[in-house]
Amino acid sequence: GAGVSQSPSNKVTEKGKDVELRCDPISGHTALYWYRQSLGQGLEFLIYFQGNSAPDKSGLPSDRFSAERTGGSVSTLTIQRTQQEDSAVYLCASTQPPGGSSYNEQFFGPGTRLTVL
Amino acid sequence: GENVEQHPSTLSVQEGDSAVIKCTYSDSASNYFPWYKQELGKRPQLIIDIRSNVGEKKDQRIAVTLNKTAKHFSLHITETQPEDSAVYFCAAIPRDQGGKLIFGQGTELSVKP
Repeated sequence: GAGVSQSPSNKVTEKGKDVELRCDPISGHTALYWYRQSLGQGLEFLIYFQGNSAPDKSGLPSDRFSAERTGGSVSTLTIQRTQQEDSAVYLCASTQPPGGSSYNEQFFGPGTRLTVL
Repeated sequence: GENVEQHPSTLSVQEGDSAVIKCTYSDSASNYFPWYKQELGKRPQLIIDIRSNVGEKKDQRIAVTLNKTAKHFSLHITETQPEDSAVYFCAAIPRDQGGKLIFGQGTELSVKP
């Protein structure tokens, strides 16, 4: 079946502009995660959605970052007033509902490479 | 909160040799430890994982060991091949925190023919 998809694949923006990044999880996956990967670095947790529960926003680096998940499926990560240090690859991942044998396994999308000039 | 340290940051081996990457974690309640392989410009892919109730798991040339007492786990790749060259990330999932992954800093493995 289809994997996790993200759009756009690349985004170049000017400092101070707002950007929206989209993630389509695997159908039926109930949990959705956003991570950020700066050049040559590891992955940094940003935010997590599970079903209808309140999201875990503990990883968001500032109040310029926000995310929504509509209808329990598609998610949008919004960065307002972008700064050069926001430049990174933003990865989305999803997991099966709890209880399955592989429910911890996170399936990653291809990422969105954001460049802030 | 959970903190994962990974060593070494770079590793170069000759084809056919073994490679070992080590990670330590800080939260003794963490209960799931995956390893991801990321090729240049690609998404991370799960290659093996281990849960806290198991000490060792093997899948062909790849094995993972977990020492809960010492809070460390290791990835072992035997008979390395050039296509094993990539960045490898360990991670931990703290218990009761919704499944978010806390990643190590990554190891760039280079397998020389």
